[in-house]
Amino acid sequence: DAKTTQPTSMDCAEGRAANLPCNHSTISGNEYVYWYRQIHSQGPQYIIHGLKNNETNEMASLIITEDRKSSTLILPHATLRDTAVYYCIVRVYNTDKLIFGTGTRLQVFP
Amino acid sequence: NAGVMQNPRHLVRRRGQEARLRCSPMKGHSHVYWYRQLPEEGLKFMVYLQKENIIDESGMPKERFSAEFPKEGPSILRIQQVVRGDSAAYFCASSGTDGNTIYFGEGSWLTVV
Repeated sequence: DAKTTQPTSMDCAEGRAANLPCNHSTISGNEYVYWYRQIHSQGPQYIIHGLKNNETNEMASLIITEDRKSSTLILPHATLRDTAVYYCIVRVYNTDKLIFGTGTRLQVFP
Repeated sequence: NAGVMQNPRHLVRRRGQEARLRCSPMKGHSHVYWYRQLPEEGLKFMVYLQKENIIDESGMPKERFSAEFPKEGPSILRIQQVVRGDSAAYFCASSGTDGNTIYFGEGSWLTVV
């Protein structure tokens, strides 16, 4: 079972920042937080991952709280093409599978 | 850098036939994962393989489904005697030996008629 809780859906205006929250209160010390997204009818796309420090790449930023029980994915300037289902997943580094939950359906509107 | 390649992208089979889905991992990757996504549902893990070994098949149905990842060539997900309930998108993913990041292919859509 997925170890994360995410809102079912969110809306965001184009050009604004999209902040997607995720709760993972039972995360273990050796588990990383991963984010993927799935645009309709496409394969899941890797976005970012982190352990305890905040991370940033060309796609997004990941903010992990100090107690690691929650995190936020930030898309700094959302576009219509960012409309997708976003999955927050906890996974032990260098071990097997990703367990997907139901994710957050982000709708970016003009 | 070629990504994870899956074929066929779309496959139609009659009930009772066999379906074979192929997955070529990213260059340098030796770990392969298969997931299934039923219509309007989330992704469900099926099996995790390394070259010539099945590591975790906890998500595979006990009957009719099998997977392999031979020393040479792509990984194969095989579904025997397909039924309408097997109609789904099947996604393959791969990672390197460090297992750091898993990358997905674009999927194979199986329709059973």
